[in-house]
Amino acid sequence: SQQGEEDPQALSIQEGENATMNCSYKTSINNLQWYRQNSGRGLVHLILIRSNEREKHSGRLRVTLDTSKKSSSLLITASRAADTASYFCATLYYGQNFVFGPGTRLSVLP
Amino acid sequence: GAGVSQSPSNKVTEKGKDVELRCDPISGHTALYWYRQSLGQGLEFLIYFQGNSAPDKSGLPSDRFSAERTGGSVSTLTIQRTQQEDSAVYLCASSTGAGNTIYFGEGSWLTVV
Repeated sequence: SQQGEEDPQALSIQEGENATMNCSYKTSINNLQWYRQNSGRGLVHLILIRSNEREKHSGRLRVTLDTSKKSSSLLITASRAADTASYFCATLYYGQNFVFGPGTRLSVLP
Repeated sequence: GAGVSQSPSNKVTEKGKDVELRCDPISGHTALYWYRQSLGQGLEFLIYFQGNSAPDKSGLPSDRFSAERTGGSVSTLTIQRTQQEDSAVYLCASSTGAGNTIYFGEGSWLTVV
């Protein structure tokens, strides 16, 4: 499979703590994107990081990319109950379509 | 439109019937994707369109599944002779081109009874 694989599969933390999710992939990529999904509906785009970038920030989100290890991480700082969702990484596959991993289910407890 | 629009939002159909799911991408987006997501699972790639052509149909699970796109805009995913294992959320997404950020619709919930 060429898909990205997120870990952990599930993560439960207290509000205010940081949450870190990881994504590993198998092929060379053009870019990697992180998405959030609430309640099994549409996915919301969070961050796109290109293969020549190592780190990107967006508000409380920080994404890193290590192409030598074929891995990426998503850090959510000072988590809130509203961050409870499933998080997916998507890798560009054969330059055409994106392949999604199975996701990490994050629960932020008040 | 402002975002990717999918219809119907929910569809309950009897086993053996055909269903059509529609996707209206963001205006000007040339790339269009269909994914399937079973309950609690990740996204399964079905098909990708660039314009009206589908360079990658590798994800269609069987010959009961087909998709077309006309005018470089609206796409229809058709499932013939539905089976219970077809029950899932069918998600459509579009982008300005291959490799760019993809934007998702809210999905069509399909339940086959």
